[in-house]
Amino acid sequence: DSGVTQTPKHLITATGQRVTLRCSPRSGDLSVYWYQQSLDQGLQFLIQYYNGEERAKGNILERFSAQQFPDLHSELNLSSLELGDSALYFCASSLHDRDYEQYFGPGTRLTVT
Amino acid sequence: GQQVMQIPQYQHVQEGEDFTTYCNSSTTLSNIQWYKQRPGGHPVFLIQLVKSGEVKKQKRLTFQFGEAKKNSSLHITATQTTDVGTYFCAVRDTGANSKLTFGKGITLSVRP
Repeated sequence: DSGVTQTPKHLITATGQRVTLRCSPRSGDLSVYWYQQSLDQGLQFLIQYYNGEERAKGNILERFSAQQFPDLHSELNLSSLELGDSALYFCASSLHDRDYEQYFGPGTRLTVT
Repeated sequence: GQQVMQIPQYQHVQEGEDFTTYCNSSTTLSNIQWYKQRPGGHPVFLIQLVKSGEVKKQKRLTFQFGEAKKNSSLHITATQTTDVGTYFCAVRDTGANSKLTFGKGITLSVRP
């Protein structure tokens, strides 16, 4: 158990819908990262927050957005969902924004039908 | 950004055999990390290498960073069924953040 929690574990929704994935980092960690894992693209970095502020952006679609709240939990919002958005979404956390070791949560499996 | 490649994507070994996999880049890497993801699980950090020619060992696992810092290897001695999973290499950004760029990974299966 990494200490990072993600909810929900599974999510099934229809195309065009909007969902919110939630992540609670390890106690004391200030930095949160979101990754998408799909069969064809592998593990792709989406976005990083550090202490409430966006720190880095990767291959995140405009339909996707995220935020980190004052209590340091983070939410990833996915809207206008398409079949191709079906994937595992992982959240990871680290103590600071430049720590080399990231601790991954169990992931949320999103299925878009 | 820095890219890393892992080929092949799958490898099958007999329990007790040694296993080696490589992570390659066309450019010089500032660092390389290795992660393991068990089936149905999440990536777990194994190691980070930063120095040219660096070798680190964790029990039966040996990690090496190439002299030119363009490749890295993971060697498992006498594989066990507990070694099953996908092994990813990743490069950590050394700018103002720590985002990771992952290779596609190699999925190891071990025949008992």
